Amino acid sequence: NAGVTQTPKFRILKIGQSMTLQCTQDMNHNYMYWYRQDPGMGLKLIYYSVGAGITDKGEVPNGYNVSRSTTEDFPLRLELAAPSQTSVYFCASSYGGHHSNQPQHFGDGTRLSIL
Amino acid sequence: AQSVAQPEDQVNVAEGNPLTVKCTYSVSGNPYLFWYVQYPNRGLQFLLKYITGDNLVKGSYGFEAEFNKSQTSFHLKKPSALVSDSALYFCAVILSSSNTGKLIFGQGTTLQVKP
Repeated sequence: NAGVTQTPKFRILKIGQSMTLQCTQDMNHNYMYWYRQDPGMGLKLIYYSVGAGITDKGEVPNGYNVSRSTTEDFPLRLELAAPSQTSVYFCASSYGGHHSNQPQHFGDGTRLSIL
Repeated sequence: AQSVAQPEDQVNVAEGNPLTVKCTYSVSGNPYLFWYVQYPNRGLQFLLKYITGDNLVKGSYGFEAEFNKSQTSFHLKKPSALVSDSALYFCAVILSSSNTGKLIFGQGTTLQVKP
């Protein structure tokens, strides 16, 4: 199993550009999450999904959008990139349902710089 | 507000000595408790969890953690530190009332093990 795979690993964007961060998991997990990690700030939840077709906002959703058309994929879209969105983005997944106390599995992140 | 605190930004320990990374929480109910480790340029890796039962839980790489309900703490420990244990450690909780598996993270503690 590959686990949680994120692409790209690195990206530099110009202000105002848009892009999609890809996330896919092969563990048949129901729950998926997007976080951003800023230095000294821990992880902040952007969006999450408890199943295909269901998404909800986390702590810091502004400037982002998500979709969940399949169990495996959970892309994160930045529509108008701003310097404040420079960060490291992590996707994670977990079993969910009756196993909502199970650990999340993380990808290795996408390092995004907006100049 | 529900929160997790890691009071030390950095912990320094000599190789071979015991280590402790502290975590306290302030949440409603009886949460599920987790420790994760993050190596440079990698995603978070699950170390161990406490759901119920024995207050001392053992996890990966020789780590263990002690749940103390009266002190609302879940400190991470290892009897003998290795240089390779140097990394960023996160404590996190899932609320027992949660049906989304959302983690509430502490700010992280950098562990530095010196030879």
